[in-house]
Amino acid sequence: EAGVVQSPRYKIIEKKQPVAFWCNPISGHNTLYWYLQNLGQGPELLIRYENEEAVDDSQLPKDRFSAERLKGVDSTLKIQPAELGDSAVYLCASSQTPYTEAFFGQGTRLTVV
Amino acid sequence: TQLLEQSPQFLSIQEGENLTVYCNSSSVFSSLQWYRQEPGEGPVLLVTVVTGGEVKKLKRLTFQFGDARKDSSLHITAAQPGDTGLYLCAGLRSNDYKLSFGAGTTVTVRA
Repeated sequence: EAGVVQSPRYKIIEKKQPVAFWCNPISGHNTLYWYLQNLGQGPELLIRYENEEAVDDSQLPKDRFSAERLKGVDSTLKIQPAELGDSAVYLCASSQTPYTEAFFGQGTRLTVV
Repeated sequence: TQLLEQSPQFLSIQEGENLTVYCNSSSVFSSLQWYRQEPGEGPVLLVTVVTGGEVKKLKRLTFQFGDARKDSSLHITAAQPGDTGLYLCAGLRSNDYKLSFGAGTTVTVRA
């Protein structure tokens, strides 16, 4: 069974440019998470979806970040415009339900220069 | 403010030694998950503990969930260089299903 798939693996952009990350969760997993991870730190939740509904986006900086999961399957996270401080690893995870184990993708390492 | 406090932050030991990583909180969790993450990769799930007082063993790794479901520990016996990585605990709250992570413990096992 395929795991969580994220793309791209790496992205380098100049500040003020837009960027988008894509995530395809494990088949049948209704819950999808986007996390941000700084070097040597634990992941911090940005947004959680139940099917196509964003049920927890309290930590998402909505002035520049947006996310969508239109058909309740794959998801896109966008930053516009990117700032230097956005450099981090963006992780996507999925789980069958909100109270079962979460499985992570390999992440997208973003560098803003 | 971190919901889950992990200690120590860094741990460097010789191959064959034992180590313990702690994960503490003032919150009660319906379950707690332990992950290991290697550089350039996403976290990989090691175990989930659900019942207060539960002990789970995975080869040389022993996981314990506190009786009050607020804390957990990970013990590695006879550590090997392949155990090197960032160990993360994550607690799931039953009231809002929020999965929160600790800051992690970086473990280095020297050959």
